[in-house]
Amino acid sequence: NAGVMQNPRHLVRRRGQEARLRCSPMKGHSHVYWYRQLPEEGLKFMVYLQKENIIDESGMPKERFSAEFPKEGPSILRIQQVVRGDSAAYFCASSPPGLNNGPLHFGNGTRLTVT
Amino acid sequence: EDQVTQSPEALRLQEGESSSLNCSYTVSGLRGLFWYRQDPGKGPEFLFTLYSAGEEKEKERLKATLTKKESFLHITAPKPEDSATYLCAVQIGGGYQKVTFGIGTKLQVIP
Repeated sequence: NAGVMQNPRHLVRRRGQEARLRCSPMKGHSHVYWYRQLPEEGLKFMVYLQKENIIDESGMPKERFSAEFPKEGPSILRIQQVVRGDSAAYFCASSPPGLNNGPLHFGNGTRLTVT
Repeated sequence: EDQVTQSPEALRLQEGESSSLNCSYTVSGLRGLFWYRQDPGKGPEFLFTLYSAGEEKEKERLKATLTKKESFLHITAPKPEDSATYLCAVQIGGGYQKVTFGIGTKLQVIP
């Protein structure tokens, strides 16, 4: 998992604050996927991005959540006005360009706690 | 609706006691089935990809098989270090690698 870098590893926010989660994909990878894992639940797809484009955001809540993957720099998952229900582990995965199947490579996640 | 169901939810084995984990799926247009291992506090670690019914893959004490409706992860003579949660995921059509995960099987191997 060392290839996909996520930070911070742990993030504590009070209700109403903003959370910013960063993901740097593996070298040579230009596709990023964000997943959320709630306690005792499976990993749920949130959003798929390529450089400067959101391709599929069907799993992302319509309000308070946004994601970006700029031309330069890491992908950012932003949660505004966090609520207790946002507490979860957020995982980023990456894949290389031009590949339509094959495994995703995951980072070690950011564990968000909302107090 | 596409579904991935894993069983059992938890499994406790004695060291050396072989067993199998099940992943059943109801999806249309399966493009690939993946097995991952997840340790506490870590992200999923890729183990195997299976693309078509009848395919098998092996790695050390693990062997994954695929039929048209389910996949098995066979663990032969497990060791305590095999303790982890094993996740199954399926990829369907769409031209990219979005996958749907099962909830996982938490395996504990007792020395």
